[in-house]
Amino acid sequence: DTGVSQNPRHKITKRGQNVTFRCDPISEHNRLYWYRQTLGQGPEFLTYFQNEAQLEKSRLLSDRFSAERPKGSFSTLEIQRTEQGDSAMYLCASSLLRGHTEAFFGQGTRLTVV
Amino acid sequence: GESVGLHLPTLSVQEGDNSIINCAYSNSASDYFIWYKQESGKGPQFIIDIRSNMDKRQGQRVTVLLNKTVKHLSLQIAATQPGDSAVYFCAELQMDSSYKLIFGSGTRLLVRP
Repeated sequence: DTGVSQNPRHKITKRGQNVTFRCDPISEHNRLYWYRQTLGQGPEFLTYFQNEAQLEKSRLLSDRFSAERPKGSFSTLEIQRTEQGDSAMYLCASSLLRGHTEAFFGQGTRLTVV
Repeated sequence: GESVGLHLPTLSVQEGDNSIINCAYSNSASDYFIWYKQESGKGPQFIIDIRSNMDKRQGQRVTVLLNKTVKHLSLQIAATQPGDSAVYFCAELQMDSSYKLIFGSGTRLLVRP
């Protein structure tokens, strides 16, 4: 499968715990995005990487959230001290550089904070 | 802030009929408007896009119409099939440094056999 891969698919954690999600984009894609989606809503942009550089972060991305893409390939999203309001689907997407409008999404990681 | 929204949360159509899904947008500066399909348990899947200087674009069984005067976007699906059942999102794209997408809240399409 050469699409965007996300792991784990599901994560249940207790409030206050830290969680980390992984995204493996399509190999030749330079752009990588993280989005968050709650039930019945469209995805909301969280952050964007071009290669290994994190170039944009949404105001939705509080200090408890951190994302990395150390070698310009896979990316991780960590949430520290999880809160119930963090429960959502976390989606990763990748795309080619300029001139390409199509972003390819992974199947997401569903986080439930109890 | 700027947002993209949808008129109807659920649309039910008979198999074989045509479907029309509507979307209103507020940011006139967007360069592209894009339709995504999301099936249960999956990530959004690109369907079709339209550049802001166009008013119509056709794909396979799908047509997107853009009316900039009233800031309205629609997705027409011809001969709707059971496999078309999903949630459809319109999104806007600005070709700035990030190319991030701004999504609306979605319309669920139900296809009756």
